[in-house]
Amino acid sequence: NAGVTQTPKFQVLKTGQSMTLQCAQDMNHNSMYWYRQDPGMGLRLIYYSASEGTTDKGEVPNGYNVSRLNKREFSLRLESAAPSQTSVYFCASSEKRGTGYDQPQHFGDGTRLSIL
Amino acid sequence: KQEVTQIPAALSVPEGENLVLNCSFTDSAIYNLQWFRQDPGKGLTSLLLIQSSQREQTSGRLNASLDKSSGRSTLYIAASQPGDSATYLCAVYMGRRALTFGSGTRLQVQP
Repeated sequence: NAGVTQTPKFQVLKTGQSMTLQCAQDMNHNSMYWYRQDPGMGLRLIYYSASEGTTDKGEVPNGYNVSRLNKREFSLRLESAAPSQTSVYFCASSEKRGTGYDQPQHFGDGTRLSIL
Repeated sequence: KQEVTQIPAALSVPEGENLVLNCSFTDSAIYNLQWFRQDPGKGLTSLLLIQSSQREQTSGRLNASLDKSSGRSTLYIAASQPGDSATYLCAVYMGRRALTFGSGTRLQVQP
């Protein structure tokens, strides 16, 4: 029962380098999300995708791009990494039920990213 | 803009104690509120979800209440155990743009 799988689990980058964080879910969910978690600030939404082929900006999208490759996969790309992007990144997925509300959200274990 | 606040930021209690974690939010136009548990180095595990039309939800030793009009929710943990030690996060859902999280309460239950 894999749920939401994120790779890699840890990564260290130098300023200016690029990388893609991968996320895949096996629950046939339509909605997928990327959050970042910083100390004392809770989780903040970077981007989300309500369905395959659609993406929308969240609260903190600057410096990131996303791709909803198919229903299972949602990747997050840092084109030119900056020290301010040092954080823990979480991917989540959810499914709309009868009320139309996404519930509940299922999270991966996170990617711990350090930018030097 | 919705803001979610959790008090206290940290809490240490002896094993067996009943405890209450608090969550408040500024905009009452929510669809639901969710409580999560986060263990160190791990992702979030959903504990309870309360729809806006509900007053409370229960799961085992956990009970979550919601007072939407006053913008408050509480998570009650009965007979706390060392295994309950974790960070507890509440989050509100307001529609398309996913969840708004509080910064969490870090709970330590002493054996």
